[in-house]
This record gives sequence, structure tokens and C-alpha cells, in this order.
Amino acid sequence: QSALTQPRSVSGSPGQSVTISCTGTNSDVGHYNFVSWYQRHPGKAPKLMIYEVSKRPSGVPDRFSGSKSGNTASLTISGLQAEDEADYYCCSKVGLYSWVFGEGTKVTVL
Amino acid sequence: EVQLVESGGGLVQPGGSLRLSCAASGFTFSDHYMDWVRQAPGKGLEWVGRTRNKANSYTTEYAASVKGRFTISRDDSKNSLYLQMNSLKTEDTAVYYCARERDYYDSSGYHWYFDLWGRGTLVTVSS
Repeated sequence: QSALTQPRSVSGSPGQSVTISCTGTNSDVGHYNFVSWYQRHPGKAPKLMIYEVSKRPSGVPDRFSGSKSGNTASLTISGLQAEDEADYYCCSKVGLYSWVFGEGTKVTVL
Repeated sequence: EVQLVESGGGLVQPGGSLRLSCAASGFTFSDHYMDWVRQAPGKGLEWVGRTRNKANSYTTEYAASVKGRFTISRDDSKNSLYLQMNSLKTEDTAVYYCARERDYYDSSGYHWYFDLWGRGTLVTVSS
């Protein structure tokens, strides 16, 4: 199972919006609405930011949003803040019982 | 506090074995499916495998890359998850995370995602 494709890095100034893409196949992202996104700060535990394509867990700021079109899912951070600087990973269900993750995207706040 | 804490990582030679542990606290561990996910240096996250809960007979699934070499188990009385790794290869070098998997059905349909992770423990396989 190949990893989902994400850009290595994206950057933006405070207050701007950035979007991270996550491209898979008809067997994962394109087949299931079980796409989730995780934020990881260095040395910290990954944190769930978006699940089931566009749902936001309690406590996650509403500047984080998710969407999907075909085989590509996207995470958008609106109104970028300094604390949003982190690595972000997408994840999709694949097959009956497995998961596939993205390669990760480093978000830099300029 | 709701948390997962991994331990047991270290340096091991190729062909060797290592057992990782994950201690859960702050929630009813026995209710949940639990997974291991790893990240090799310079690579993305990779799902390793899962164990279901007692209600689902503690069944397990594994990624093809570790099947037959790794075994996931749990001790609900100790709120602990384990990963027994045998016949280790250099490509198993990674940070290993335990994660709580939500896998359930309700009136709005099926739900699958990871909602809680630990900070990880580093395993280095090298001679």
C-alpha cells in the first residue's frame, strides 16, 4: 500500500490561509469518507484535527477545515497562527481493516 | 488525564527482539480498539496493526510489512498495550506510537479514526 501524497511543505504569513492536499487512489481516499488529519508538534503526540473528511473534534479551532474531491482530500487552515506551525498527516481507511497515512507536510508560519 | 505513554524502545541488533509497552490512563481502556503506528526516519506514518476489544474477541490485524514477525497484545487489567517485535530488520527502525482507534456504528453510520496518541518510543535496529 503506497503512502498518500502530500506536499513536503507549505508556508504562510499569520492571518493567511494555507491548504494541504492529500492524494490517494480509488481504493482509499476516493473510496471512503474515512479521511482524517493529525497535527504533530516536535516531541509531542499527534493530535486529531479533522475526522471523516470534514468533522472537527471538540476543542479544535474552527479555522481548521477539511474537504474531499475524488481521490484528493484537503486540509485548510484559515487565519494562520504561530501555534499552527507543525507537521500535518492525512490518513485514510483502505481495504476492510487497514489504514494508510500521508508522507506529512510541514507548515511554516512566516 | 487522558493519555497514552509508550516505553521499551532502544537499540537492538538485526534479527533480535524487542517488546514495546503502552500505558493508558484516564479512560476505560478495555472498551477500545488499540493500534500501533510507526514512523521511520524521513518517512511518513505507517500503520502497524491493531487489537480489538474483548467484545470483539481481541482479534488482531497487521500490516503486510510486519505480519508474522510482530504480535500485538493487551492486558486490560493493567490498562496496557504491547507490541512484541521479533526478527527485527533495519527497516523497522522507527518511532513507534500507540493510538486509540474509534471504530463504531451509530445512527449516523460507521465511524473510523484515531482520537488519542502517545508521544512515541524510538526503536533502532542496527549492528
